[in-house]
Amino acid sequence: KAGVTQTPRYLIKTRGQQVTLSCSPISGHRSVSWYQQTPGQGLQFLFEYFSETQRNKGNFPGRFSGRQFSNSRSEMNVSTLELGDSALYLCASSPGTGTGNTIYFGEGSWLTVV
Amino acid sequence: AQKVTQAQTEISVVEKEDVTLDCVYETRDTTYYLFWYKQPPSGELVFLIRRNSFDEQNEISGRYSWNFQKSTSSFNFTITASQVVDSAVYFCALSEVNAGGTSYGKLTFGQGTILTVHP
Repeated sequence: KAGVTQTPRYLIKTRGQQVTLSCSPISGHRSVSWYQQTPGQGLQFLFEYFSETQRNKGNFPGRFSGRQFSNSRSEMNVSTLELGDSALYLCASSPGTGTGNTIYFGEGSWLTVV
Repeated sequence: AQKVTQAQTEISVVEKEDVTLDCVYETRDTTYYLFWYKQPPSGELVFLIRRNSFDEQNEISGRYSWNFQKSTSSFNFTITASQVVDSAVYFCALSEVNAGGTSYGKLTFGQGTILTVHP
């Protein structure tokens, strides 16, 4: 069974640009969530999507957005990039229903903003 | 609000030593899930264990064991006979659940413990 797949793995962007990151969840999983990891703030929850609807949201500015498609694949977008957006962005998937869901993570996308 | 504290920032041991990673959590929920993840340098968070708030049995998986004590809000992780391959950052995390017991994809993480095992 394939795991959570994230693309691209590494990217460098210039301040002011925008970036789109992609995530393919484990087959059958309908919940996809996104996290930002930085040395200073640690791992922080961005948002979660379930059945194409945002179900939960963290405390990030509106520059951070996401969406989920009918096949459960998800994308997150960061507009008007700032230097502080340099981070590892991790996607996670889980079934999203029922009890005791285990949340599995992808390898992440390393974003550097210069 | 939920909070997870991993007081040990870094731990350094010599191979074959036992090591315990501490995790203390805060939540007002009566139902919740606790997780441990391992993060090697590649960045991926590798799932190790999930424990629900109603199950206080300790668990052992090979060289790994977990001690969950609801009375002290702790969920500690012990590696027995550590190996160099255990070197990584370890995260403890707490999950919200809805009224039906479904775990949303939102995890609250501790700051992580960097474990270095020397040969």
